[in-house]
Amino acid sequence: LAKTTQPISMDSYEGQEVNITCSHNNIATNDYITWYQQFPSQGPRFIIQGYKTKVTNEVASLFIPADRKSSTLSLPRVSLSDTAVYYCLVGGLMDSSYKLIFGSGTRLLVRP
Amino acid sequence: DTAVSQTPKYLVTQMGNDKSIKCEQNLGHDTMYWYKQDSKKFLKIMFSYNNKELIINETVPNRFSPKSPDKAHLNLHINSLELGDSAVYFCASSEQGAQYGYTFGSGTRLTVV
Repeated sequence: LAKTTQPISMDSYEGQEVNITCSHNNIATNDYITWYQQFPSQGPRFIIQGYKTKVTNEVASLFIPADRKSSTLSLPRVSLSDTAVYYCLVGGLMDSSYKLIFGSGTRLLVRP
Repeated sequence: DTAVSQTPKYLVTQMGNDKSIKCEQNLGHDTMYWYKQDSKKFLKIMFSYNNKELIINETVPNRFSPKSPDKAHLNLHINSLELGDSAVYFCASSEQGAQYGYTFGSGTRLTVV
């Protein structure tokens, strides 16, 4: 599975847009890009997944450039409750042996 | 209804004991997993079962033995517990291939004293 690199931590303020970028230079053709969110004392929660271009849901947007060597998770107008660790993962699908390999994640702190 | 439920939520036990953690999912998923999150917060996969069949077994000591009585349950039994086993253990499930993501349980915090 492709290795990912993301900032260890980020600070923001309530109401701001937060963009977390993840590098995955060795992404394979059949790899998807998935982001998870983890609050303290909880399991990771699926946020968004994409293959190329842009994906948007009610929680976030995911921007993927044409070369797919990076991706950016965009959280609009963050609130204090968005303080969490955000993980970027890449991997192949449609395979029962597919496994998620988590990196160190980005610890986002949203301040009042 | 909780999608992926683990019991117990907290487990404190002495070294050398044997303990089990139970996991159940009501999502109808085919695949279930156990992950371990250590004190440095790294999440590492331990095991994966697909329709009761073991498909992933990472480098985990033999003291850890998963058991899947049916595809909705994946229990983790740990023999001869050691201090280094202290961690949070997460159960997760997914459709086969996980193209729609994993659903994680809330974790079991195991403390070995």
